[in-house]
Amino acid sequence: KAGVTQTPRYLIKTRGQQVTLSCSPISGHRSVSWYQQTPGQGLQFLFEYFSETQRNKGNFPGRFSGRQFSNSRSEMNVSTLELGDSALYLCASSSGQAGQPQHFGDGTRLSIL
Amino acid sequence: AQKVTQAQTEISVVEKEDVTLDCVYETRDTTYYLFWYKQPPSGELVFLIRRNSFDEQNEISGRYSWNFQKSTSSFNFTITASQVVDSAVYFCALSEAENYGQNFVFGPGTRLSVLP
Repeated sequence: KAGVTQTPRYLIKTRGQQVTLSCSPISGHRSVSWYQQTPGQGLQFLFEYFSETQRNKGNFPGRFSGRQFSNSRSEMNVSTLELGDSALYLCASSSGQAGQPQHFGDGTRLSIL
Repeated sequence: AQKVTQAQTEISVVEKEDVTLDCVYETRDTTYYLFWYKQPPSGELVFLIRRNSFDEQNEISGRYSWNFQKSTSSFNFTITASQVVDSAVYFCALSEAENYGQNFVFGPGTRLSVLP
């Protein structure tokens, strides 16, 4: 069974630009969650999508948005990039039922210059 | 509000030593789930174990064992006879059943270094 796939692995952007990250979940998984990981803040929950609907949202500004497609693939968009957005962005998929473990991709490392 | 604390920021041990990683959680829910994940240098978080709040039975899997104690709100992880390949950052996480959907709260992680 293929795991969670995130593309691209690395990205370099400049302040003010926007970026789109992609995540393909494990086949059959309907829930996709996004996390931001930084040395100072650790792993922070961004949002979760289930059946194309945002079901949960963390405490991030509106510059961070996402969507999910009918095949459960998800994209995350960050607009007007700031230096503080430099981080490892992790995607996780699961069946979406309470208590089920999330399975993570390798992440996209975003660097803002 | 849910919260996970991992008081040990970094631990270094010599190969073959036993090591215990601590995890303390806070929740008001009676039904919740606890998880441990391993993050090797490659970056991907690897799922290790899940426990629900109604199952306090300890579990052993090879060199790994987990001690869940509701009375102290702890879910500790022990590696017996550690190996260099165990070097990674380990995260404890909490998910509340009352919280519709999947909203995991992760602890800050413990960086384990196993020296040869």
